[in-house]
Amino acid sequence: EDKVVQSPLSLVVHEGDTVTLNCSYEVTNFRSLLWYKQEKKAPTFLFMLTSSGIEKKSGRLSSILDKKELFSILNITATQTGDSAVYLCAVGGSNYKLTFGKGTLLTVNP
Amino acid sequence: SAVISQKPSRDICQRGTSLTIQCQVDSQVTMMFWYRQQPGQSLTLIATANQGSEATYESGFVIDKFPISRPNLTFSTLTVSNMSPEDSSIYLCSVAANQGSYNEQFFGPGTRLTVL
Repeated sequence: EDKVVQSPLSLVVHEGDTVTLNCSYEVTNFRSLLWYKQEKKAPTFLFMLTSSGIEKKSGRLSSILDKKELFSILNITATQTGDSAVYLCAVGGSNYKLTFGKGTLLTVNP
Repeated sequence: SAVISQKPSRDICQRGTSLTIQCQVDSQVTMMFWYRQQPGQSLTLIATANQGSEATYESGFVIDKFPISRPNLTFSTLTVSNMSPEDSSIYLCSVAANQGSYNEQFFGPGTRLTVL
């Protein structure tokens, strides 16, 4: 059975800090790893990673995938209170199904 | 990315009743997906809905409990039948970004269901 483990489960930081969120996985026929930000109900797409070692970047957020060690990290630099959310990692296999981790609850205090 | 809407946004229902959730997309999509997120848990795929064929259900989910319709390429419904408090969850539909990249999924705003 496919499995995604995220750590830490929760994290509290101050504005301006840099955070690193971790995601490790076991999946049959890996195709991609995705990161989402969830505030309230709807997950918002951040990144999709398919190749090892290639960093994807969007503003203060960046992510990288290691397919040999089966993990990914999501970095957020210069955090802001608006970054407070649950960050979800999901892995996709060949059957189109996404398997989600339990998420990391990030709280950024002013 | 596609614009996805869901109705209702939230509902409070009595046990034993059924609720139908609608998902509308502003463009034609081949595959739509229905997820459930129970309180404090992550998202779990209920089923995959393709237009013109029966939905494909994941282990632990059955058609009698979660019937799905997919009448065209822009619309789908999920019904939660004979509800119990354990069905209290957020229900989300998602669509694949484009054909050939079905893993890249975008989510609707969700329906928060509370069953009393």
